[in-house]
Amino acid sequence: GESVGLHLPTLSVQEGDNSIINCAYSNSASDYFIWYKQESGKGPQFIIDIRSNMDKRQGQRVTVLLNKTVKHLSLQIAATQPGDSAVYFCAENILGGAQKLVFGQGTRLTINP
Amino acid sequence: EAGVAQSPRYKIIEKRQSVAFWCNPISGHATLYWYQQILGQGPKLLIQFQNNGVVDDSQLPKDRFSAERLKGVDSTLKIQPAKLEDSAVYLCASSPGANQPQHFGDGTRLSIL
Repeated sequence: GESVGLHLPTLSVQEGDNSIINCAYSNSASDYFIWYKQESGKGPQFIIDIRSNMDKRQGQRVTVLLNKTVKHLSLQIAATQPGDSAVYFCAENILGGAQKLVFGQGTRLTINP
Repeated sequence: EAGVAQSPRYKIIEKRQSVAFWCNPISGHATLYWYQQILGQGPKLLIQFQNNGVVDDSQLPKDRFSAERLKGVDSTLKIQPAKLEDSAVYLCASSPGANQPQHFGDGTRLSIL
């Protein structure tokens, strides 16, 4: 079965608030993690990635935190906007000869006006 | 930079028929992936190519699914014969190499009647 899961399948936030999307992974050998955003009818869009030798990485309005002790990954979106409404997937790369991403089930983020 | 191109966008066929999907990756990307995304789930890797060689096809149902990347650029994924459970979105992704972000196309939505 999937080794990556999410704590909540849906998340509703007020426009302008910060959003935090969580992800648990089970494979301690995973060395690379990616967050994707998927809008209806479109393919997953790369947001941000982090390697296992880091615990935090920041992008434009997004921050990814990695806690290897408890095998937890989170995506923080600052000042959430209506355009942030989508399903968010975390994916982990299973360490091995070839990159093999395992995706979680996803969290649907809804922005309330 | 042009993204990953896929066609067709939609396909409806009857069970036991055959179908083919086409993918043109981002120019210069050596690695190409095919994923299956069932409604409400994250993408699941079917096959991965490095240039024109198969790196991982462990989750490809080889009795009915086949894929090729003859010249190390474009790729086709075929299903023959299709089953009802093959209804899904088939996503193609490419990356410059291992442990680098995969970039997805918008997929082909396949419906089996």
